[in-house]
Amino acid sequence: AQSVSQHNHHVILSEAASLELGCNYSYGGTVNLFWYVQYPGQHLQLLLKYFSGDPLVKGIKGFEAEFIKSKFSFNLRKPSVQWSDTAEYFCAGNDMRFGAGTRLTVKP
Amino acid sequence: EAGVTQFPSHSVIEKGQTVTLRCDPISGHDNLYWYRRVMGKEIKFLLHFVKESKQDESGMPNNRFLAERTGGTYSTLKVQPAELEDSGVYFCASSTLGETQYFGPGTRLLVL
Repeated sequence: AQSVSQHNHHVILSEAASLELGCNYSYGGTVNLFWYVQYPGQHLQLLLKYFSGDPLVKGIKGFEAEFIKSKFSFNLRKPSVQWSDTAEYFCAGNDMRFGAGTRLTVKP
Repeated sequence: EAGVTQFPSHSVIEKGQTVTLRCDPISGHDNLYWYRRVMGKEIKFLLHFVKESKQDESGMPNNRFLAERTGGTYSTLKVQPAELEDSGVYFCASSTLGETQYFGPGTRLLVL
């Protein structure tokens, strides 16, 4: 079965620190990957997606992710986090199976 | 444009009772998905409709769960009879083919 996995369950950073959240996928063929975010009290919303083409994908709010086929990875990055980035982040694959989620807490 | 809506927002029922959750997708979205999240755990796929047909229902936990999408518009997810382990947040999402999913706010179900 297709699946994605996230290994960081809870990440705590100070403002201005750099962020990288891991996501690995374990299937072949066509690979579509997504990162979603859920801010406290809000709906899940799409941050960015990879379908094909440039493996470096830019999303909203300064987030980006890089698809590395050789590592089966699609890690989410942000150079400098803000307190408002405190949220839960989910990686998802083709079949919209989600990873377990990573809770990010940014300390002001 | 209205987003995905779900009703009710919260439901508290006793074990053994029946609950029906409703999802209204974005107009024109043929794809409709149901997910569940149990407290602190992953978002678990339940099933996927394309119009009124069940494309994939491999995530449905057992036969106490019944999903329908008559007419290819809104969908219902019925749990009968509810068990304690059914508690969680039930999300619905919709999309056009191959495009981004838009999520609803979820229904928080508590089975006592």
